[in-house]
Amino acid sequence: DTAVSQTPKYLVTQMGNDKSIKCEQNLGHDTMYWYKQDSKKFLKIMFSYNNKELIINETVPNRFSPKSPDKAHLNLHINSLELGDSAVYFCASGGENNYGYTFGSGTRLTVV
Amino acid sequence: QKEVEQDPGPLSVPEGAIVSLNCTYSNSAFQYFMWYRQYSRKGPELLMYTYSSGNKEDGRFTAQVDKSSKYISLFIRDSQPSDSATYLCAISIYNNNDMRFGAGTRLTVKP
Repeated sequence: DTAVSQTPKYLVTQMGNDKSIKCEQNLGHDTMYWYKQDSKKFLKIMFSYNNKELIINETVPNRFSPKSPDKAHLNLHINSLELGDSAVYFCASGGENNYGYTFGSGTRLTVV
Repeated sequence: QKEVEQDPGPLSVPEGAIVSLNCTYSNSAFQYFMWYRQYSRKGPELLMYTYSSGNKEDGRFTAQVDKSSKYISLFIRDSQPSDSATYLCAISIYNNNDMRFGAGTRLTVKP
């Protein structure tokens, strides 16, 4: 069973479109995260949710919005996609009684 | 100044070499230190975790933390081609909370 699963794995879309990426974890972790990894492999945190409460919101454009229907899911909605949004987006989860985060396999977003 | 500095490399070594990967950080409040390994087109996976100064060993891997110098290292002994990946250091103030990542060092081990 995949611990942290995100879909889709690949997403190619045109500028101006709205898209969503889904993430689910079956580890029972309290907190879920979204990271953006650019072409130089730098991982930058975007959001985190702890028990449905947003606890980190880095300076990302408000076109990006996280949605968490329950503790096991954290989806990422992106409105009005821009070329600069092209990157790999990783979902991760972690718990205060665990060591480190568990990452999903990533969603490679290409905006054309 | 970035919170975590890591040389992105790339680093290329022959099989069997000892590899040294390093990160420096700026805030002495950071207490938890991790190393992640990321293979091409995969998510990062936790390799080593420590929260105290000194060395921690796991097989061919040794994590070293020097809090006084704000310097962390990962050593890989008897490196193998399967170790070829990007290695990211990560630090946080609280356990599993608000983790900050280095830029990642791309390592290639040649047979």
